[in-house]
Amino acid sequence: QKEVEQNSGPLSVPEGAIASLNCTYSDRVSQSFFWYRQYSGKSPELIMSIYSNGDKEDGRFTAQLNKASQYVSLLIRDSQPSDSATYLCAVFYNQGGKLIFGQGTELSVKP
Amino acid sequence: EAGVVQSPRYKIIEKKQPVAFWCNPISGHNTLYWYLQNLGQGPELLIRYENEEAVDDSQLPKDRFSAERLKGVDSTLKIQPAELGDSAVYLCASSADSGAYEQYFGPGTRLTVT
Repeated sequence: QKEVEQNSGPLSVPEGAIASLNCTYSDRVSQSFFWYRQYSGKSPELIMSIYSNGDKEDGRFTAQLNKASQYVSLLIRDSQPSDSATYLCAVFYNQGGKLIFGQGTELSVKP
Repeated sequence: EAGVVQSPRYKIIEKKQPVAFWCNPISGHNTLYWYLQNLGQGPELLIRYENEEAVDDSQLPKDRFSAERLKGVDSTLKIQPAELGDSAVYLCASSADSGAYEQYFGPGTRLTVT
């Protein structure tokens, strides 16, 4: 099992819809989780961090964490074409003290 | 606040040649990271510095890669000699401290080895 798994996509949604991006991880004791957005040819940009079970909202973005299920997700409401990018899930692994990234999910928002 | 600065942005070299990448972290950030990102993959850690000390270099191929962070601020990553398989994006990131802190990335250096 990979340490951090994401569907590679591409995930295609129409403009205005909700995009749902999912991530599972293998370390049961991980406490810190991050979502990065990466436009083509650019570097990853931190958009959300979440540390507690439940939802965390920031504008059109909502991160959801379920530690019991080892599952973290990112919802993007009212998706815009400018949201088209690859979204990377990252989990901080206490053992080794490092951030482990998934391979990313490519999101395409169609006008 | 200025972000992480990296140079050069692009580099094309022939195999067996040396190459060096430079990084200046966000001001006040004690922890600096070098990552490698291959196409279609997430970044993978090469080395982590806390101030001047390399605290995790377990993923750094030490036969050809080296890094330094003199004075605990700027850092340089070097490859000598470069191989075709080293073609990738080299990302520098920094965080306020080590541990589960938010990491911020620089623009990266895209290396092509021919």
